[in-house]
Amino acid sequence: SQELEQSPQSLIVQEGKNLTINCTSSKTLYGLYWYKQKYGEGLIFLMMLQKGGEEKSHEKITAKLDEKKQQSSLHITASQPSHAGIYLCGADATGTASKLTFGTGTRLQVTL
Amino acid sequence: DADVTQTPRNRITKTGKRIMLECSQTKGHDRMYWYRQDPGLGLRLIYYSFDVKDINKGEISDGYSVSRQAQAKFSLSLESAIPNQTALYFCATSNRPGGGRTGELFFGEGSRLTVL
Repeated sequence: SQELEQSPQSLIVQEGKNLTINCTSSKTLYGLYWYKQKYGEGLIFLMMLQKGGEEKSHEKITAKLDEKKQQSSLHITASQPSHAGIYLCGADATGTASKLTFGTGTRLQVTL
Repeated sequence: DADVTQTPRNRITKTGKRIMLECSQTKGHDRMYWYRQDPGLGLRLIYYSFDVKDINKGEISDGYSVSRQAQAKFSLSLESAIPNQTALYFCATSNRPGGGRTGELFFGEGSRLTVL
């Protein structure tokens, strides 16, 4: 079965600083989905990557899928308190998005 | 109103009791899922369904059952709840990817279940 490892598990950054979260898969990724979760709430879809080398941005968040399609990174530029939460990556290992496997999440705190 | 609605949002019950968590959606999606979230373990898939007559086990289906009553409704049952089923449960829906759709999951707000 596919395993997804996220690093770091938790992160505390000062407002205005940049940060990167990584998601590494044990198998080739057909699709990689990034979600954000506010503590104790539902997950909000951020973006999806499919092609090796693909990069997408939404506001100050950029995600990349490496060429070998086994790792993705999420980069936040000039972090704000609104970025705080848990970031999870979800992987499609089938090519049909029939069921996603999720990483354990990265908990982000942004201090003033 | 939320597109994916879960009830109840919070439930405290005792060991051995039967519990049902319900999920309804207004997105018109064929695919529905139940996940549980535990600290340090991320989201794990319990069951999923691609249409009313299709039910599939996920990675942790033992101790759970589901019913897809209609395209818009998917319920999760714990026949005899035990303390290690204490968790945050999420229902999610999706479309099949293709035609510009990415196949991303749309999640409900979660149902927090505590089994004493």
